[in-house]
Amino acid sequence: DAGITQSPRHKVTETGTPVTLRCHQTENHRYMYWYRQDPGHGLRLIHYSYGVKDTDKGEVSDGYSVSRSKTEDFLLTLESATSSQTSVYFCAISESTNAYEQYFGPGTRLTVT
Amino acid sequence: GENVEQHPSTLSVQEGDSAVIKCTYSDSASNYFPWYKQELGKRPQLIIDIRSNVGEKKDQRIAVTLNKTAKHFSLHITETQPEDSAVYFCAASIRSGNQFYFGTGTSLTVIP
Repeated sequence: DAGITQSPRHKVTETGTPVTLRCHQTENHRYMYWYRQDPGHGLRLIHYSYGVKDTDKGEVSDGYSVSRSKTEDFLLTLESATSSQTSVYFCAISESTNAYEQYFGPGTRLTVT
Repeated sequence: GENVEQHPSTLSVQEGDSAVIKCTYSDSASNYFPWYKQELGKRPQLIIDIRSNVGEKKDQRIAVTLNKTAKHFSLHITETQPEDSAVYFCAASIRSGNQFYFGTGTSLTVIP
C-alpha cells in the first residue's frame, strides 16, 4: 500500500459538532482527494487538492471544507456534522500531471448520532 | 459532469467460471478508466486500468476492454477463485489529477 494514513479510523460524534479528519501521505504526491462511500452510491468526490493551499470542490462538497498547508497533510472538516454525513471517508493520492492512478488510504468510519 | 453506470450490481459465479462487469460513461472526453477491487472493510485497490488509446489490456486472469465509440468498458475475470469475491468499481477520468467518477459497484461472489 502507498504511504497513506488516515486518522481517526473510527469516530462517533453528535449532530452539530465540528469534526476534522486527517489524511497524511509519505509519498510526496501532488494531488490529494477526499471521497465518501455510501451504499448504492459508490465513491463520490468531496474536495481535492492539486498543491499546497490549492483546493477545489468535488460533486458533493456542501457541508465540507478542506485545507492543505503542507504537501503531506490534507484535512477534511465538517463544520457542523449532520446525520447525512454518516459515511466512510477515504483519502486518495495521485502523483503528478502524467500519472492518472489514484491510491486510497484505509478509510475513516464516521457516525453522526 | 460525467455519469458512470455499472452493471450488474450483484454477480454470482461458480469457481472456475468467468465474470464480466460492464460500465458505460457519458463524457466523450474521458480518457482513463481504472477498475478497483474492494474487500469487505478494506480500501479500494487498483487492479487494472486502461487509457483511451488502447482497446484491450490484460494482466493474468483479468482483462479490460474499451469501446470508445459506444462509450463502454468492461472487466473480465477468467478462472474465478473464491478470493476474487469482493466489490468491484469502475471509474472514468478526463485527465490526470482530475477527479474520478465512480460506478456504483458490483458485488461479486465466487461460489466454491
